[in-house]
Amino acid sequence: EDQVTQSPEALRLQEGESSSLNCSYTVSGLRGLFWYRQDPGKGPEFLFTLYSAGEEKEKERLKATLTKKESFLHITAPKPEDSATYLCAVQGITGGFKTIFGAGTRLFVKA
Amino acid sequence: NAGVTQTPKFRVLKTGQSMTLLCAQDMNHEYMYWYRQDPGMGLRLIHYSVGEGTTAKGEVPDGYNVSRLKKQNFLLGLESAAPSQTSVYFCASSPDTYGYTFGSGTRLTVV
Repeated sequence: EDQVTQSPEALRLQEGESSSLNCSYTVSGLRGLFWYRQDPGKGPEFLFTLYSAGEEKEKERLKATLTKKESFLHITAPKPEDSATYLCAVQGITGGFKTIFGAGTRLFVKA
Repeated sequence: NAGVTQTPKFRVLKTGQSMTLLCAQDMNHEYMYWYRQDPGMGLRLIHYSVGEGTTAKGEVPDGYNVSRLKKQNFLLGLESAAPSQTSVYFCASSPDTYGYTFGSGTRLTVV
């Protein structure tokens, strides 16, 4: 069964304090791993898709990396506006069109 | 440039009542999905559609029905609401199986 586990559940950072969020996954053949950002009271917003181990994607202060068992979302010099919940999701080759989501990491960045 | 629109945004139902949640997308996407989001849990797939006139079950389909009579609309029905269906419901669409665009959600409370 495809599974996604995110850690930590919550992360508090000072502005400018870089850190990483972890996403561990179990999937029977990875079609894609996805990162989303979700602000309170809103729907998730798509950030990245990663397809194979070794792949990296960047967007502003965010960089996503992928290995065969986990993905990291690195946040460099975060700002208060980066505060949100970050969701990781996977789609396996045997799961049809089903994308499995993790519970998310709530990030708080203090000025 | 509306994207994915969900109606209503909030609803309170009594146990046993029925209702329909409407999702509309204006991006000509083939794929549409209904998820529920509960505290401490990831988004869980209820039903999905890979094109007009098609529907399929996701992880947690019991107690829900869906219809996709038109490509741009995906309806989620609750025939006899139960307190366990209290949740935030998100609709999403995608042009293929990657990179979903989510709506802003419907907060449903069943009392």
